[in-house]
Amino acid sequence: ELKVEQNPLFLSMQEGKNYTIYCNYSTTSDRLYWYRQDPGKSLESLFVLLSNGAVKQEGRLMASLDTKARLSTLHITAAVHDLSATYFCAVSPSGDGGSQGNLIFGKGTKLSVKP
Amino acid sequence: KAGVTQTPRYLIKTRGQQVTLSCSPISGHRSVSWYQQTPGQGLQFLFEYFSETQRNKGNFPGRFSGRQFSNSRSEMNVSTLELGDSALYLCASSYYRPGANTGELFFGEGSRLTVL
Repeated sequence: ELKVEQNPLFLSMQEGKNYTIYCNYSTTSDRLYWYRQDPGKSLESLFVLLSNGAVKQEGRLMASLDTKARLSTLHITAAVHDLSATYFCAVSPSGDGGSQGNLIFGKGTKLSVKP
Repeated sequence: KAGVTQTPRYLIKTRGQQVTLSCSPISGHRSVSWYQQTPGQGLQFLFEYFSETQRNKGNFPGRFSGRQFSNSRSEMNVSTLELGDSALYLCASSYYRPGANTGELFFGEGSRLTVL
């Protein structure tokens, strides 16, 4: 059974600092997704990582995937208050052609960026 | 392009009642998935439909059911509601193309169900 673990679960940062959120998963998969959720809102897709070594960047966020280590990281550079949200990683237990709607989510990392 | 639309956004029911939630996917998306989000259990997969067929099902009791229509719109139903069914129910759609499929899900705003 695929399990996804994120750490830390809570992260309080100061503006301008850098930090990394880690996402480990238990069985082989080459499809990993990062989502952002603001309080009371839905999930917004941030990154889609589909192969070993994939790296994607958008603004102050950069995500990477190491399928051999079963690890993805979400790196935050020079954090700003607007990045405060809960970040989820999700892993697909199926490859292309299989069921794609069944993602296994981590518990989420609640990020708070303070001035 | 309109996003995923869910109705109703909020609803309050009492134990023993049943509820039906509706989801309209992004135009052109034929895969619709449902998730339950609670503070304790997090995001849990309920089921996925593709071309009116249930393609996968999560580990939920039979009180939870769903269906998909020919226009890809989907409904989920929860019968005999229990207090523990209080949650945010999220619908997601995705565009499936064999051989070039990212599996990216696009979520709606959710239906927040409170069971009293």
